[in-house]
Amino acid sequence: GNSVTQMEGPVTLSEEAFLTINCTYTATGYPSLFWYVQYPGEGLQLLLKATKADDKGSNKGFEATYRKETTSFHLEKGSVQVSDSAVYFCALRRYTNAGKSTFGDGTTLTVKP
Amino acid sequence: DTGVSQDPRHKITKRGQNVTFRCDPISEHNRLYWYRQTLGQGPEFLTYFQNEAQLEKSRLLSDRFSAERPKGSFSTLEIQRTEQGDSAMYLCASSSGDSSSTDTQYFGPGTRLTVL
Repeated sequence: GNSVTQMEGPVTLSEEAFLTINCTYTATGYPSLFWYVQYPGEGLQLLLKATKADDKGSNKGFEATYRKETTSFHLEKGSVQVSDSAVYFCALRRYTNAGKSTFGDGTTLTVKP
Repeated sequence: DTGVSQDPRHKITKRGQNVTFRCDPISEHNRLYWYRQTLGQGPEFLTYFQNEAQLEKSRLLSDRFSAERPKGSFSTLEIQRTEQGDSAMYLCASSSGDSSSTDTQYFGPGTRLTVL
């Protein structure tokens, strides 16, 4: 079946540090890949997505590249801010069973000033 | 665009009772999804509607769970004979667009269920 594995957290960084959160997936075919963010006290919201191999999704300084050969979709940001403190979820959706998103367990990021 | 709303935000019930949650999607979104999230885990898919048709239902969803979207707008999720293991956050999301595999799902704030 489909699955998403995220690096275990929590992750604690100082402001302006480089961020990488690893995400790998298992799925048949060519899924679409997503990163969601959940800020404290708020609902899940889409951060970025990529729908085919080698696509790069980007938003708010975050980037992730769809790597089919390594089945990965790692999230990166060059310089994190305190306001980036949140829980980050990697997810996939297949073309078939497209209503169903499969999520990773989330990675908690804390950025200290 | 007022976002996806869910009601109630919190529900405490005793084991064996029935509960019903409501989700109002973003206006004109034709797709609606229900997920369940427990502490420390990602959301787990429960079921999916396109308009009023229920197109997918997780095999993990027992017969005690039922969802409806009678007019293709709001949806309800009912849990009968609740068990302590049902305690979780129940999330609703909606979307629209050409492709259900790539469109953006907008999530509501969730309903937190506690079964005593």
